[in-house]
Amino acid sequence: DIVMTQSPDSLAVSLGERATITCKSSQAILHNSKNKNCLAWYQQKPGQPPKLLISWASTRESGVPDRFSGSGSGTDFTLTINSLQAEDMAVYYCQQHYTIPLTFGQGTRLEIE
Amino acid sequence: EVQLVESGGGLVQPGGSLRLSCAASGFTFSTYWMHWVRQSPGEGLVWVSRVSPDGSDTTYADSVKGRFTISRDNTENTLYLQMNSLIAEDTAVYFCTRDMWGTSDYWGQGALVSVS
Repeated sequence: DIVMTQSPDSLAVSLGERATITCKSSQAILHNSKNKNCLAWYQQKPGQPPKLLISWASTRESGVPDRFSGSGSGTDFTLTINSLQAEDMAVYYCQQHYTIPLTFGQGTRLEIE
Repeated sequence: EVQLVESGGGLVQPGGSLRLSCAASGFTFSTYWMHWVRQSPGEGLVWVSRVSPDGSDTTYADSVKGRFTISRDNTENTLYLQMNSLIAEDTAVYFCTRDMWGTSDYWGQGALVSVS
């Protein structure tokens, strides 16, 4: 199974500042025919299901604010949230969508400082 | 509007069985792969199972293989998860999700299964 490891486990950032979360996969997750990395990011707020923010490492879902961006390649990926808003407080998960079993990172709790 | 609504959760004794249902609407259910993903209380997300659009192809996490069965009824737009031989470690909120290239682009609100 591909192991996904996020860091940090928790993060406190001031409103208006930038938050950066990293995710490392235990092996490459490049979709050969699409030449895209199979890495997704989800946001989960308390009492709610996760919400897909980004797929293919950097493709934002429709309706996701452009302050959310994804980057990375190979085995190292990053979720960046610019100009942090109060509503961004949540747990963020990465997931590889390259192969079964689909696997998630352990989550990063983002708090407002 | 895409909607996924789970039902069938509850409290069950170890060794017992439960069947979850997920009613889908707002999209052409019969053309999508579907997944079950679970989340233990206070824990992270764990993929459980997936089924192909016509129901012929199913895959399971090792932790549930041989105990859980995923299925679907495309005439009723409903996804199922039959859970047998339940153990305490199966206690979780179970989410029904729609597949999009291996991601889950839509999630239900979840059904709580407690094994105790």
